[in-house]
Amino acid sequence: DVKVTQSSRYLVKRTGEKVFLECVQDMDHENMFWYRQDPGLGLRLIYFSYDVKMKEKGDIPEGYSVSREKKERFSLILESASTNQTSMYLCATGQDVGYNEQFFGPGTRLTVL
Amino acid sequence: LAKTTQPISMDSYEGQEVNITCSHNNIATNDYITWYQQFPSQGPRFIIQGYKTKVTNEVASLFIPADRKSSTLSLPRVSLSDTAVYYCLVGGDNQGGKLIFGQGTELSVKP
Repeated sequence: DVKVTQSSRYLVKRTGEKVFLECVQDMDHENMFWYRQDPGLGLRLIYFSYDVKMKEKGDIPEGYSVSREKKERFSLILESASTNQTSMYLCATGQDVGYNEQFFGPGTRLTVL
Repeated sequence: LAKTTQPISMDSYEGQEVNITCSHNNIATNDYITWYQQFPSQGPRFIIQGYKTKVTNEVASLFIPADRKSSTLSLPRVSLSDTAVYYCLVGGDNQGGKLIFGQGTELSVKP
């Protein structure tokens, strides 16, 4: 069974803080993804990575950066958190570049005050 | 990228069969059709994927007509625990693994 874990289920931060969201997977998957989910907007892709040290922008990368130093770990960084980044953040992994099943973590609900 | 349209919400009762139809008029030749399920406060979970005709697994069936411009997810004999949002996605290998989620269908199963 694939396991995707995220560092926190709930997080409260203040405007301007630097925020790190961590995602770890245990299935040796090449692909990892970060999404955010907002009511009425569905899931939107922020960044993804096909391999260690590789990253690609998704549909809404502004205000975010990512880091993938090890295959199993993919971090999402909010350099200076803002209130419009209050959202549910979901990490996912996939086995290869093809259009395959993605496995999602439980999500981190981030509130920026 | 092919856009999908599905009902925003559906109601059902326990024990009934539920069919959720998704329209994808501009589906490309190499696109697959995939359905995910999401419970509140959880990440989406893969249910089923197909290319054409019919696919069945232990959870659901997926019916795809010959023109592939629509698809129907069929959940047999639903229970209260099937209350969730169901997403229809269309895409292929040329998307680099990216998934495009629409609004989904919120299914409510009542006793």
